[in-house]
Amino acid sequence: QSALTQPASVSGSPGQSITISCTGTRTDVGRYNYVSWYQQYPGKAPKLIIHDVRDRPSGVSDRFSGSKSGNTASLTISGLQAEDEADYYCSSFTTINTYVLGTATRVTVL
Amino acid sequence: QVQLQESGPGLVKPSETLSLTCAVSGDSISSDNCWSWVRQPPGEGLEWIGEIHQRGITHYNPSLKSRVSMSLDKSKTHVSLRLSSMTAADTAVYYCAQHSGWAFDPWGQGTLVTVSS
Repeated sequence: QSALTQPASVSGSPGQSITISCTGTRTDVGRYNYVSWYQQYPGKAPKLIIHDVRDRPSGVSDRFSGSKSGNTASLTISGLQAEDEADYYCSSFTTINTYVLGTATRVTVL
Repeated sequence: QVQLQESGPGLVKPSETLSLTCAVSGDSISSDNCWSWVRQPPGEGLEWIGEIHQRGITHYNPSLKSRVSMSLDKSKTHVSLRLSSMTAADTAVYYCAQHSGWAFDPWGQGTLVTVSS
């Protein structure tokens, strides 16, 4: 199974909105609404920020939102803040009962 | 609140088998849970290794399937990972994570495994 495709980097100024795409296939992203997103700071474990395409766990800022169209899922960060500077990964369940992760996006706050 | 803690040798020789354990606390391994192992080579992205359900059902990444096995120790609340024929390409931080639906939450802090002679 191939990794989901994400842009290597996305940047924005404080207060702006940015969107990270996550492109898969009809056997993963396109098949199920089981896409999740993770935020990872250097040297730390990933943290779940979005599950089931668009749902936020308790305690996660509402500046994070998710969506999906066809084989591509997206994570939008609104009102960009310095603390959002991190790596972001998407994940999807697949038709062969496995999971596939994205290639990672480094978010830089200018 | 569930907490996960990985433990293992830290250093493995090429061709050897890696054995890691994930201790689950704050929850019962007899619940209807599922756990995954995910690894991250230094400076690289995350790779899903596989999962094991509370009933013992496993699913593995096709690229690692021939070398991976996972098991549960119900009496000690531990989830184990074995990865055989280790090479330098298997050097990574290995994480265990409990499933929350079809997402991984929470995660352990990870343990670095280096493959070197």
